[in-house]
Amino acid sequence: DAGVTQSPTHLIKTRGQQVTLRCSPISGHKSVSWYQQVLGQGPQFIFQYYEKEERGRGNFPDRFSARQFPNYSSELNVNALLLGDSALYLCASSPSQGAYGYTFGSGTRLTVV
Amino acid sequence: EDQVTQSPEALRLQEGESSSLNCSYTVSGLRGLFWYRQDPGKGPEFLFTLYSAGEEKEKERLKATLTKKESFLHITAPKPEDSATYLCAVQAGTGGFKTIFGAGTRLFVKA
Repeated sequence: DAGVTQSPTHLIKTRGQQVTLRCSPISGHKSVSWYQQVLGQGPQFIFQYYEKEERGRGNFPDRFSARQFPNYSSELNVNALLLGDSALYLCASSPSQGAYGYTFGSGTRLTVV
Repeated sequence: EDQVTQSPEALRLQEGESSSLNCSYTVSGLRGLFWYRQDPGKGPEFLFTLYSAGEEKEKERLKATLTKKESFLHITAPKPEDSATYLCAVQAGTGGFKTIFGAGTRLFVKA
């Protein structure tokens, strides 16, 4: 079975630009979460979506937005990129919105220059 | 404020030298506590979920335990392939479904 897939794997953007990251969950998983991980730190929660609705939001500015599609895939959008947005962006899926262990993708490495 | 603190930041062990990693947490309404393993350049890999104080789970050389304020990940007779960063996370029952991770413990096991 395919795991959680994220695209692209690496991305370089310029300050002020916008970026869209994509995530396909494990088949049958209806919940998708997004995390930002800076080198040497644990992942920081950005969003959780379940059944196409936002169910949780972390302490990130409004420049960050996300959505979930009918096939349960998801996109994370970041507008007006700052140098500090450079990080590994991780997507995780789980069967539902309960307290389940997540399956993570390998992430998208975003570098803002 | 919900918080997860892991200690030590880094741990160096000889092969076969057992030890424990600590995760202390302060959350409102614990839904679950999770342990993950993360290798360099990869996403975290799920190990265990613990739901209530007194619960224990085991997998190969790893054993996770939970009290009302902290969790321990015990590593028995570690091997070099156990070298990784171990992350603890909690899902709180307030403020929506939010999972909070600690900064992790980097484990190095030398042959």
